[in-house]
Amino acid sequence: DTAVSQTPKYLVTQMGNDKSIKCEQNLGHDTMYWYKQDSKKFLKIMFSYNNKELIINETVPNRFSPKSPDKAHLNLHINSLELGDSAVYFCASSPASDTQYFGPGTRLTVL
Amino acid sequence: AQKITQTQPGMFVQEKEAVTLDCTYDTSDQSYGLFWYKQPSSGEMIFLIYQGSYDEQNATEGRYSLNFQKARKSANLVISASQLGDSAMYFCAMREGGTGGFKTIFGAGTRLFVKA
Repeated sequence: DTAVSQTPKYLVTQMGNDKSIKCEQNLGHDTMYWYKQDSKKFLKIMFSYNNKELIINETVPNRFSPKSPDKAHLNLHINSLELGDSAVYFCASSPASDTQYFGPGTRLTVL
Repeated sequence: AQKITQTQPGMFVQEKEAVTLDCTYDTSDQSYGLFWYKQPSSGEMIFLIYQGSYDEQNATEGRYSLNFQKARKSANLVISASQLGDSAMYFCAMREGGTGGFKTIFGAGTRLFVKA
């Protein structure tokens, strides 16, 4: 029984396309996150949602739009994909300020 | 300025020996949390250990222990009896903040190689 799941695991697409990554957690956590890990393995927070409300937005281009339909889901939609968006995107969840548990990651490749 | 510093980009350790991965942090918060995560070559991020800023005892989880020195702002990870499966990237992270949201900041990581 997967705690934090993401789909798809791999995403290969052309520049300019729009794509979505889905995330679901079955841990009952209140807070969910999106992180971007670049080719040098640097992990940076993008967004954080608490009970469906956006609480952290780390100056991410507005081509990235997170959506939380309910507490268990946090999806990431990316418009007009650029080469620099190629990275691994991780979803995570945590109870309030506690330990974050990560999904398996989605490797996005923009050609 | 870097909030989490991991000065060792790569480390080698002989199987069955202990290894210490360094982490220093910078915060003005009184309440914060420190974490270590492991990322094997398969890519997933695995939570290893947590230390709260008010915890007086060093955290331990099996073969992992966190050497917390608050005055020096260091939170080193000690892995005892290294195993081949410990070869991975290790990330130190700090959670700070309060109203407006808790934010977790990650260090650049240390790649650990365990030699047979």
